[in-house]
Amino acid sequence: AQSVTQLDSQVPVFEEAPVELRCNYSSSVSVYLFWYVQYPNQGLQLLLKYLSGSTLVKGINGFEAEFNKSQTSFHLRKPSVHISDTAEYFCAVTSGGSQGNLIFGKGTKLSVKP
Amino acid sequence: NAGVMQNPRHLVRRRGQEARLRCSPMKGHSHVYWYRQLPEEGLKFMVYLQKENIIDESGMPKERFSAEFPKEGPSILRIQQVVRGDSAAYFCASSNGDSPLHFGNGTRLTVT
Repeated sequence: AQSVTQLDSQVPVFEEAPVELRCNYSSSVSVYLFWYVQYPNQGLQLLLKYLSGSTLVKGINGFEAEFNKSQTSFHLRKPSVHISDTAEYFCAVTSGGSQGNLIFGKGTKLSVKP
Repeated sequence: NAGVMQNPRHLVRRRGQEARLRCSPMKGHSHVYWYRQLPEEGLKFMVYLQKENIIDESGMPKERFSAEFPKEGPSILRIQQVVRGDSAAYFCASSNGDSPLHFGNGTRLTVT
């Protein structure tokens, strides 16, 4: 069975600092990997996805993530965060062939302080 | 260019009542997914539907919960005889089968 672990439930950082949100997954088959962002009282918005090809994936709002198959990780990074990046971030996995039936991690709350 | 529309945004029901949550997918999307988000938890898959068919309901509780996606009209998630433990945010997402999921803003159900 597939599962996703987000190692940090909360990450506080100062504005303009770099940030890394960690995500590890377990799966016995090839996977698709996603990061979604959820702003308060809203639905989830896709930040980026890895389906195949280059292991470094660039997304919206200056975020990027790197797929590391040997470490089964898909950590999300941004070199300089803004106050507006304050939100909850979810890592998700699904087996190859479908982008639909997602298994989500429990989320990481990113809090950017001035 | 409306996205995924869910209504109502907030729904309050007393224990024992029925809750009906509606979801209109994005234009051109025929695949609908329902997820439930409990406090401090990620989203949990409930059910995957295409027009008039339930494709995967492995995440649906065995009793009181049902879902449909008729030929015409929105997808409906129905919860009968609600209990306090049903209080959660319910999210609908849609896709065209090849695309990533697009999520609605959710319905927040409170059972009193």
